[in-house]
Amino acid sequence: DVKVTQSSRYLVKRTGEKVFLECVQDMDHENMFWYRQDPGLGLRLIYFSYDVKMKEKGDIPEGYSVSREKKERFSLILESASTNQTSMYLCASSPSAISGNTIYFGEGSWLTVV
Amino acid sequence: GNSVTQMEGPVTLSEEAFLTINCTYTATGYPSLFWYVQYPGEGLQLLLKATKADDKGSNKGFEATYRKETTSFHLEKGSVQVSDSAVYFCAYMNYGGSQGNLIFGKGTKLSVKP
Repeated sequence: DVKVTQSSRYLVKRTGEKVFLECVQDMDHENMFWYRQDPGLGLRLIYFSYDVKMKEKGDIPEGYSVSREKKERFSLILESASTNQTSMYLCASSPSAISGNTIYFGEGSWLTVV
Repeated sequence: GNSVTQMEGPVTLSEEAFLTINCTYTATGYPSLFWYVQYPGEGLQLLLKATKADDKGSNKGFEATYRKETTSFHLEKGSVQVSDSAVYFCAYMNYGGSQGNLIFGKGTKLSVKP
């Protein structure tokens, strides 16, 4: 089975702190994604990466950056956390895009910024 | 622009009732369509998918048929159980260049009462 592991399930950080959310997948997938999930808004794409050291902005990249130094690992970085970044963050991965390929999700990281 | 619209919840049903969650999409070309499910406190899991017009995806008693003429992918189940209580997300695969990412609806929360 595909496994996408997010290192932290629950985090509480202070405003202005630098926050790292780590994600690792074990299936040699080319594509990796970071989504944010908020009530009433569904899932919104922050960034995605289709290869090592490559990244593309999603719909809401402001206030975030990402790093993909190794194929299996995709990190989401909040340079200076703010309270409006309190949310659930979901990492996902998929093989190279062909019709119908499935995206697999991790269990999510609940971030609270106080 | 490209989008997914699904019926707003919450939806509350009694056990063994019939379920329909409507989903329509706006997209160019021939996207692949998905239903994901999120159980309380967990990440998203793929429930079913369809990759071309008239395909029917099915899993765990749930079904959805890809209707290109109505750009719809409605989720149905003949007899729901308490264990089906979850949030259901409709999505399509958006291809940009050679890669793809998912465009999600806002989710529909289903509660099934004994």
